[in-house]
Amino acid sequence: DAGVTQSPTHLIKTRGQQVTLRCSPISGHKSVSWYQQVLGQGPQFIFQYYEKEERGRGNFPDRFSARQFPNYSSELNVNALLLGDSALYLCASSRTGYTEAFFGQGTRLTVV
Amino acid sequence: AQSVTQLGSHVSVSEGALVLLRCNYSSSVPPYLFWYVQYPNQGLQLLLKYTTGATLVKGINGFEAEFKKSETSFHLTKPSAHMSDAAEYFCAVSEGTDSWGKLQFGAGTQVVVTP
Repeated sequence: DAGVTQSPTHLIKTRGQQVTLRCSPISGHKSVSWYQQVLGQGPQFIFQYYEKEERGRGNFPDRFSARQFPNYSSELNVNALLLGDSALYLCASSRTGYTEAFFGQGTRLTVV
Repeated sequence: AQSVTQLGSHVSVSEGALVLLRCNYSSSVPPYLFWYVQYPNQGLQLLLKYTTGATLVKGINGFEAEFKKSETSFHLTKPSAHMSDAAEYFCAVSEGTDSWGKLQFGAGTQVVVTP
């Protein structure tokens, strides 16, 4: 079975630009969560979606937004990129939202 | 509010020696506790989890952890380190159904295994 897949794996953006990151959950999983991992730190929770509804939001500015589609895939959007947004963005899926979470390989975003 | 503290950002162990990684948590409700491992340029892999029941939890690759409520701890151990155990390890806490699966991670412990 395919695991959690994220695209792209790497990208470089310029300050002020907008970026969209994509995540496909494991088949049968209805919940997707997004985390930001800055180099040398633990992952920080950004969003959780379950059945296309936002179920949780971390302490991130409104420049960060997300959505979940009917097939349970998800997109994370970040507007007006700052240098500090450079990080590994991780997507995790789970069956219900509070069962075991499986993580993808992440998208490495570099803002220059 | 929930939080996690991992004691020691770097741990160096000899191959064959005991691995001990320390994790303390705070939570206003009975916690769910997790240990994840991250290899370079990869995502997180679940090693083990505690939700309810037996407080000694066995995971993959020979790791185990014990939930001690009185000490608010969930330390990770492995009796004999292998070179392949070199990675970064994260302890995480969730408030279970109350938090819809939001994980609060510690800062991580980098494990180096020397021959």
